[in-house]
Amino acid sequence: DQQVKQNSPSLSVQEGRISILNCDYTNSMFDYFLWYKKYPAEGPTFLISISSIKDKNEDGRFTVFLNKSAKHLSLHIVPSQPGDSAVYFCAASGFGRGSTLGRLYFGRGTQLTVWP
Amino acid sequence: DSGVTQTPKHLITATGQRVTLRCSPRSGDLSVYWYQQSLDQGLQFLIHYYNGEERAKGNILERFSAQQFPDLHSELNLSSLELGDSALYFCASSATSGLTDTQYFGPGTRLTVL
Repeated sequence: DQQVKQNSPSLSVQEGRISILNCDYTNSMFDYFLWYKKYPAEGPTFLISISSIKDKNEDGRFTVFLNKSAKHLSLHIVPSQPGDSAVYFCAASGFGRGSTLGRLYFGRGTQLTVWP
Repeated sequence: DSGVTQTPKHLITATGQRVTLRCSPRSGDLSVYWYQQSLDQGLQFLIHYYNGEERAKGNILERFSAQQFPDLHSELNLSSLELGDSALYFCASSATSGLTDTQYFGPGTRLTVL
């Protein structure tokens, strides 16, 4: 039961352009959403998060947008750099029935490739 | 470097065997989480410990068990191993167990069952 879905397994973007990674979720009890970046042979690294009371959170080149009614979030990277090439995981957590406090539900990841 | 350490990095063993994976959380973190990443799967939550006590269980098999010790390091024990247990096992830690506590991940242990 995949409660967090990343439907694009890969994305290729030219350096300097915008990268948009998408994520959908099915559990309306999710309250908190995160993006992690993962390089080969390393563990996931926290990138940015957003609470369900917000619809946007920005940190430097990274912005996460949340559309609760559509149960959709996206990560924008502007401008994209070759060092951003990695697998990006969307994750969600929340209170309430069907979720467990502190437990993260992950999507399957999107491989982002930024080419010069 | 997240500050979370995991040993060993790689483990190769045979079916039916038992292994122990070890995790040391970041200094001061009280929570430890274990996740499994199989081929083509996202990270699947296994179990969460907070200050030595089990807090939540995910889809963890009965052949798997974990504990968190007084010094807050944690061990994940996998027994009667099967081919399908081959995966990356990640440990993460967070300061407490709050909803917005960021989980910091270790580099993982790659388990190969032959």
